[in-house]
Amino acid sequence: QVQLVESGGGVVQPGGSLRLSCAASGFTFSNHGMHWVRQAPGKGLEWVAFIWYDGSNKYSADSVRGRFTISRDNSKNTLYLQMNSLRAEDTAVYYCAQDPCSGNICYLSQWGQGTLVTVSS
Amino acid sequence: EIVLTQSPDFQSVTPKEKVTITCRASQSIGSRLQWYQQKPDQSPKLLIKYASQSISGVPSRFTGSGSGTEFTLTINSLEAEDAATYYCHQSSSLPLTFGGGTKVEIK
Repeated sequence: QVQLVESGGGVVQPGGSLRLSCAASGFTFSNHGMHWVRQAPGKGLEWVAFIWYDGSNKYSADSVRGRFTISRDNSKNTLYLQMNSLRAEDTAVYYCAQDPCSGNICYLSQWGQGTLVTVSS
Repeated sequence: EIVLTQSPDFQSVTPKEKVTITCRASQSIGSRLQWYQQKPDQSPKLLIKYASQSISGVPSRFTGSGSGTEFTLTINSLEAEDAATYYCHQSSSLPLTFGGGTKVEIK
């Protein structure tokens, strides 16, 4: 079955950087687009970024554009989110999610369990 | 950006009652609307795709309807395990957006 396991979360100071990883198994990773979605404590869901199956196209929310970079390594079945210039408002649980489609965005089908990022001095 | 407005924000329901949650989009999204269930300390789970298409493994009491700008999630005969927050989500255009959520409590 599909398994998505996020890691790399933790506490970081404002202005700092962090790289999140999402290890995928149970499906052909290189055939699927992938998303990052976040959820601030006690709040709703916010889409962060999407990457095509082959990494050739990427899209991100205005709130993170220029600071966060989504990438993938299909040889390692792993999705990444490089987060720079972190702000207090980036504090959230970060989820990776599988899209059933390769290039076009369809929807978020399977989700990982999430990893908590806390931005605080 | 397409704004999704859910109603109600909160609903307290007795078991076996029917629950109806509405999601209104700020512009037409066709059928590009999904519903997710999130239980406390868990990740979201897909319930309905493309407004009304069922998902394998999801109980048949969960049904979706609507198109354009008005959508509905119906839970027929609510069970105790359905206590959760429900979110609608549009995949019609970027940025992808979610509704604010509807918390369903069991009386």
